Amino acid sequence: DARVTQTPRHKVTEMGQEVTMRCQPILGHNTVFWYRQTMMQGLELLAYFRNRAPLDDSGMPKDRFSAEMPDATLATLKIQPSEPRDSAVYFCASGLGGQGARYEQYFGPGTRLTVT
Amino acid sequence: GDSVTQTEGPVTLPERAALTLNCTYQSSYSTFLFWYVQYLNKEPELLLKSSENQETDSRGFQASPIKSDSSFHLEKPSVQLSDSAVYYCALRDIRDSGAGSYQLTFGKGTKLSVIP
Repeated sequence: DARVTQTPRHKVTEMGQEVTMRCQPILGHNTVFWYRQTMMQGLELLAYFRNRAPLDDSGMPKDRFSAEMPDATLATLKIQPSEPRDSAVYFCASGLGGQGARYEQYFGPGTRLTVT
Repeated sequence: GDSVTQTEGPVTLPERAALTLNCTYQSSYSTFLFWYVQYLNKEPELLLKSSENQETDSRGFQASPIKSDSSFHLEKPSVQLSDSAVYYCALRDIRDSGAGSYQLTFGKGTKLSVIP
């Protein structure tokens, strides 16, 4: 049963520290998405990649967030420096398809980030 | 742009009651439609997926896209305690070029609580 995996599952850090979250998409999937979920804002799309190329990162605060996909099996989301308002659950999702495909997304278990 | 509107929550139902969660959408294109379910402290999970004019069924839930209404309501004849969760309706539009929207547009979610 193929699944998206994310590490770490929980992260507590102090304000100003760098945070790196990792995601392994389902093998063969060609799109990867990063979401942030908070009680106040709900589910927000931060960035996504297709065939490892970044397509849209308009949902991300550019000054402190960066997303990369160094290879087809690894996507990273980095926050530097972290702030208390970054506390949230960060989900990675992956999908597969070509033109006209459904592109349903499969979510990983998330990284729960707490910045103190 | 695309938008999805869902039943305002929270919704509370007794066990074995019938469920309908409304979802309407706006898009200038043909669409793929989805329902996701998110249990407490878990990731969103794909529940149903549909292209136009095809009813789908999963775990006792049903949804049938109605193009004339731009709707994709979620129904279940008899809910169980384990159905307590947040339900998200989502769409992906199908653009002519195929190079357009890869991301899903999510509704704000409806929290369902099933009580004994």
